[in-house]
Amino acid sequence: AQSVTQLDSQVPVFEEAPVELRCNYSSSVSVYLFWYVQYPNQGLQLLLKYLSGSTLVKGINGFEAEFNKSQTSFHLRKPSVHISDTAEYFCAVSAGGGTPLVFGKGTRLSVIA
Amino acid sequence: KAGVTQTPRYLIKTRGQQVTLSCSPISGHRSVSWYQQTPGQGLQFLFEYFSETQRNKGNFPGRFSGRQFSNSRSEMNVSTLELGDSALYLCASSLDRVKAANPRASNEKLFFGSGTQLSVL
Repeated sequence: AQSVTQLDSQVPVFEEAPVELRCNYSSSVSVYLFWYVQYPNQGLQLLLKYLSGSTLVKGINGFEAEFNKSQTSFHLRKPSVHISDTAEYFCAVSAGGGTPLVFGKGTRLSVIA
Repeated sequence: KAGVTQTPRYLIKTRGQQVTLSCSPISGHRSVSWYQQTPGQGLQFLFEYFSETQRNKGNFPGRFSGRQFSNSRSEMNVSTLELGDSALYLCASSLDRVKAANPRASNEKLFFGSGTQLSVL
């Protein structure tokens, strides 16, 4: 079975500062990793995903994440955040083959002007 | 292309009642998954349907059930509501998650609706 731990439930950061949202996973098999974002009163939308290949994955809105197999981590980063990045971010893992996505509990990013 | 549509947007029920939530997937999507989102537990997987068959099931009691129709629309039902069932219920559709056995397939991408906020009083 897979599991995901998002190490920070809330992350406040000033506008134009860099941010890192941390995600660690646990799995006995190879996994696919995802970051989703949820804006207020909306559903989730995919930011980026790691399926295979390059461990540095670039997503939408200037976000990127790095897959680190030895650390079992998939941290999300952005070099300069905007007010509009204020949202909840979810890390998710799947073993593929149609198995359900398992989500972390989310990290609430608050960007301060 | 219209996105995933969930109705109703908000629901208020009392303990012991039952409720039915509806989800219309993106046109052409055949897989529908349901998740329960609460502040303390995050997103928890309820079940997934594909071609009118339940393909995966999460760890929820039998009071939670679902079905999928031939047009891929899905409903979930919760009977004998409890206070702890208060949550945002999210539906997500995808083309066909079985094809995700191919790691380069994009079928793992779930498209989420805005959810139904259920409050049990």
